[in-house]
Amino acid sequence: EVQLVESGGGLIQPGGSLRLSCVVSGLTVRNNYMTWVRQAPGKGLEWVSALYIGDVAFYAESVKGRFTISRHKFENTVYLQMSSLTAEDTAMYYCARLDSAGPGAFDTWGQGTMVTVSS
Amino acid sequence: SYVLTQPPSVSVAPGQTARITCGGNTLGSKSVHWYQQKPGQAPVPVVYYDSDRPSGIPERFSGSKSGNTATLTISRVEAGDEADFYCQVWDSSSILSWVFGGGTRLTVL
Repeated sequence: EVQLVESGGGLIQPGGSLRLSCVVSGLTVRNNYMTWVRQAPGKGLEWVSALYIGDVAFYAESVKGRFTISRHKFENTVYLQMSSLTAEDTAMYYCARLDSAGPGAFDTWGQGTMVTVSS
Repeated sequence: SYVLTQPPSVSVAPGQTARITCGGNTLGSKSVHWYQQKPGQAPVPVVYYDSDRPSGIPERFSGSKSGNTATLTISRVEAGDEADFYCQVWDSSSILSWVFGGGTRLTVL
């Protein structure tokens, strides 16, 4: 069974930095397309970043230059390094896997970790 | 950037059929995926690639597409189907991105 478990969220001041982790079991991160999707309180889903096989990264315009997606070289973990955070980054952050057939669909999701940006 | 349009809400009585639409420019040339999200839970995929159902999803959930409009149909709606539903596409036309619709709240009367 594939499981994605996020951690690292919390309360952070505007302008601060935070690193989210997604520990994956049941599949090998380096052989899969991994992503982060966020959801602001009471709002819809927003794709944030994707890491392709071969470590090619893609970002939404709203986070480009501030967020970095990566994977641990030896452990089955995906990271999202977030910097220059603003109130607009307040959201539940989900780690999700993209289906290998596409990769167009998010076929496996974690339960999310909450990030609150506030002074 | 690419935009997907969904109705904010759909209401249906138990046992009836709910139809949730998703529209977008050139949607006919893209694959549409659908997710169900219940309060406090992560999204769950219910339809892939326009009309494929993931393992474990009841046959009551089906997807279709005509022109630039995709439709998620839920037959014999149950109280437990009440949730937010999102359509989603992969947009590779300019900047590679994954786009979600604004979401539709399904209310079971």
